Amino acid sequence: GEDVEQSLFLSVREGDSSVINCTYTDSSSTYLYWYKQEPGAGLQLLTYIFSNMDMKQDQRLTVLLNKKDKHLSLRIADTQTGDSAIYFCAEGGGGGYQKVTFGIGTKLQVIP
Amino acid sequence: DADVTQTPRNRITKTGKRIMLECSQTKGHDRMYWYRQDPGLGLRLIYYSFDVKDINKGEISDGYSVSRQAQAKFSLSLESAIPNQTALYFCATSDPSGRATDTQYFGPGTRLTVL
Repeated sequence: GEDVEQSLFLSVREGDSSVINCTYTDSSSTYLYWYKQEPGAGLQLLTYIFSNMDMKQDQRLTVLLNKKDKHLSLRIADTQTGDSAIYFCAEGGGGGYQKVTFGIGTKLQVIP
Repeated sequence: DADVTQTPRNRITKTGKRIMLECSQTKGHDRMYWYRQDPGLGLRLIYYSFDVKDINKGEISDGYSVSRQAQAKFSLSLESAIPNQTALYFCATSDPSGRATDTQYFGPGTRLTVL
């Protein structure tokens, strides 16, 4: 079945760049997503990338997709304390009866 | 007002009790989901429904049941709660139609403690 793997924890200093990595198994996924969960809240979509793209940039966020290696990364430039949260990688989408599968989440700690 | 609401937000109950968690949405989405979140295990799918007449088991459905009363309502029941069902429960909706990306919209969560 589908599987999404990511590391549990990342610590960075304020102002540095953060890179959160993810690997997935389902090569038929139409979309790959990054969700953010702030303390005490539900998940919210941060960004997504269509599977035929290699890169997507949105302000401080850069998503890189390597389809050959089934590797997805999220880079946050100039990381701020407000970026401290759990970041979930997910694959799926595209309609039909395909579900979205989430990774276990990477907790990002930003040190002032 | 929130698009996806969950009630209750917090619940403490005892082993063996029947518990119902409710979810309502105003987004008009056909698809609804129930997940549980546990530390170190991430988000796991319990049940999902792609429309009012469709109910599907997720990866951890044992001990749970669901009811899709209407497009806007999807409830999760624990018939006889046990302590390892202590977790944070999330409801979510999505709309994969047309050019939509099947983005999931989450409720605020229900923290359930089973003693």
